[in-house]
Amino acid sequence: NAGVTQTPKFQVLKTGQSMTLQCAQDMNHEYMSWYRQDPGMGLRLIHYSVGAGITDQGEVPNGYNVSRSTTEDFPLRLLSAAPSQTSVYFCASSYGRTSGGYNEQFFGPGTRLTVL
Amino acid sequence: AQSVAQPEDQVNVAEGNPLTVKCTYSVSGNPYLFWYVQYPNRGLQFLLKYITGDNLVKGSYGFEAEFNKSQTSFHLKKPSALVSDSALYFCAVRDSGGYNKLIFGAGTRLAVHP
Repeated sequence: NAGVTQTPKFQVLKTGQSMTLQCAQDMNHEYMSWYRQDPGMGLRLIHYSVGAGITDQGEVPNGYNVSRSTTEDFPLRLLSAAPSQTSVYFCASSYGRTSGGYNEQFFGPGTRLTVL
Repeated sequence: AQSVAQPEDQVNVAEGNPLTVKCTYSVSGNPYLFWYVQYPNRGLQFLLKYITGDNLVKGSYGFEAEFNKSQTSFHLKKPSALVSDSALYFCAVRDSGGYNKLIFGAGTRLAVHP
């Protein structure tokens, strides 16, 4: 199993540009999430999905869109990049309610994004 | 509002000594608690979790955590630290709203000195 994979590893954008961060998992997990990590703030939830076709907002959703057309993939779109979106982005997945609902999340290696 | 606090930005310990990384939480309802570790330039790795049952939870790499309901704490411990334990440690609580959403603390950097 590859686990949770993310691409790209690094990205530099100019203000106003758009891009998509890719995330895929091969563990047949129901739940997938996107977090951003900023110094001194831990990880904050951006968007999450409890299954294909179902997404919802997390703590800091503004400026980001998601969709989940398959169980495996959960891309994160930045609509118009801003310097405040400079961060490290992590995708995570886990089993869902059918497995008890209290399952640990598996994290990808992260994407380091800089917006100039 | 639910929250997690890690009161120490950094913990320093000598190799071979016991280590403790502190975590306190505030939740409505039963707490479901997790510890994760992040090595440099890597994603987070799961260490252990408390769902119910025994207050002492054992996890990966020799780590354990003690759940204390009266003090609303979930401190991470290891009897004998290794230099390779040096990393960033995160405590997290499952959001009571469900869907396995996690609320993370700010993280504690553990430095183990030879």
